[in-house]
Amino acid sequence: KAGVTQTPRYLIKTRGQQVTLSCSPISGHRSVSWYQQTPGQGLQFLFEYFSETQRNKGNFPGRFSGRQFSNSRSEMNVSTLELGDSALYLCASSFGGSVDTQYFGPGTRLTVL
Amino acid sequence: QKEVEQDPGPLSVPEGAIVSLNCTYSNSAFQYFMWYRQYSRKGPELLMYTYSSGNKEDGRFTAQVDKSSKYISLFIRDSQPSDSATYLCAIPYGGSQGNLIFGKGTKLSVKP
Repeated sequence: KAGVTQTPRYLIKTRGQQVTLSCSPISGHRSVSWYQQTPGQGLQFLFEYFSETQRNKGNFPGRFSGRQFSNSRSEMNVSTLELGDSALYLCASSFGGSVDTQYFGPGTRLTVL
Repeated sequence: QKEVEQDPGPLSVPEGAIVSLNCTYSNSAFQYFMWYRQYSRKGPELLMYTYSSGNKEDGRFTAQVDKSSKYISLFIRDSQPSDSATYLCAIPYGGSQGNLIFGKGTKLSVKP
C-alpha cells in the first residue's frame, strides 16, 4: 500500500512569509503527527491530530499550527517565518492506538532566507 | 536534563563489526522504547520496539532495556554497509505513540 506522502518536498521562503505543508497519511490511518528535524535540536514533536482533533501539542510557538481534514489528510502552517524555522518537517501516520506504529513520510525541506 | 540523551557520534566501523548504540532517559515512568533508522533524505522507519525491561531480538538486531539504570541499547551483529544510517531512540510521551521523544540520533557508517 502507498506510504505517507508529503508535499512539497522542497520549499524556499523568505523571513516574514507564511507556509503551508501537506501530509497524506496511509489509507485507514486516523492519526497524523508532525515533527521538526534540525541538526541542532534533532527531531522534535510539533502536534498530533486524530479524527480532526488536536490530541497532543509540543512546545512550539503559536506561529506553528495545523489541522486535519475528514479524510485524515493534514496540513501544518507556519506564519511569520524566521530563519530558525529552516528544517526538515516530517509527518507520521498511524491507526492512532497507544501501541500502533507510526510511519513517517520523506519530509518537506523548508529553507528560510 | 533532556528526557532522552543519545551520543550523536559519528560512529565508523568496519563491515562485520558488532555495533552498540545507546540512549539514556530520565523519566522512570516510560514503558515503551523504540529504535528508528533514518537513511539520508528519508523519513525515519521503525526498526524495533521493546516494552519494559529485557531483550528483544530480530535477526541481526537486538534491543535491550535496563530500567534500573534508565539505559536502552541497540546492538547490530555482523554489520553491513547497508546498515549505514542514523539510528534514533524514541520514547512515547504520555503513553501516546503519536507523541514521540527522540534522541538526537547516532550516525553510523559501516565501511566495506
